[in-house]
Amino acid sequence: GQQVMQIPQYQHVQEGEDFTTYCNSSTTLSNIQWYKQRPGGHPVFLIQLVKSGEVKKQKRLTFQFGEAKKNSSLHITATQTTDVGTYFCAGPGGGNKLTFGTGTQLKVEL
Amino acid sequence: GAGVSQSPSNKVTEKGKDVELRCDPISGHTALYWYRQSLGQGLEFLIYFQGNSAPDKSGLPSDRFSAERTGGSVSTLTIQRTQQEDSAVYLCASSALAGGPLWETQYFGPGTRLLVL
Repeated sequence: GQQVMQIPQYQHVQEGEDFTTYCNSSTTLSNIQWYKQRPGGHPVFLIQLVKSGEVKKQKRLTFQFGEAKKNSSLHITATQTTDVGTYFCAGPGGGNKLTFGTGTQLKVEL
Repeated sequence: GAGVSQSPSNKVTEKGKDVELRCDPISGHTALYWYRQSLGQGLEFLIYFQGNSAPDKSGLPSDRFSAERTGGSVSTLTIQRTQQEDSAVYLCASSALAGGPLWETQYFGPGTRLLVL
């Protein structure tokens, strides 16, 4: 079945450093979504990418969809403590459901 | 408007007991999903409901797990004869549109934290 992997699994950064998480699917995706889950919280939708090579920005967050639509990345510039959490990518997993990636847990130290 | 709500927020039960977890989706959302998340892990798909269509049960880990959705709204996830490995957070999500080239956003509830002793 489809697999969606993310790397790294964990990332510790100093506040102000940049952070990137990578998402790789075993199959071509029609679109990809990104979610953020704060510690103790539930996943919250961030963005959806649809087009090959698409790049979208939300303030310090930059999302990119690969040309082959099998990978995606999320880059955070100048991390802040409010960025702490686990970031999940998700893509259509066959049928009518999303397959979530394995997640990248980000910790930001002062 | 109100988001997705789940009850109870926490549930402690003894091994072998049955539990029922409830999900109230956002009003008007036709799609409803159940996921399981073990501590520090990703999201494991359990079951999906879309309108009046037959549910997609492909993620249910065993026949001890079942779910129903009444009137196209509220859903109940039932775990029979609970085992310690069932301990996890059970998340419900709803969306306005499922399938097609543009997937609608999934809105998650706060989850039910289940602990089986």
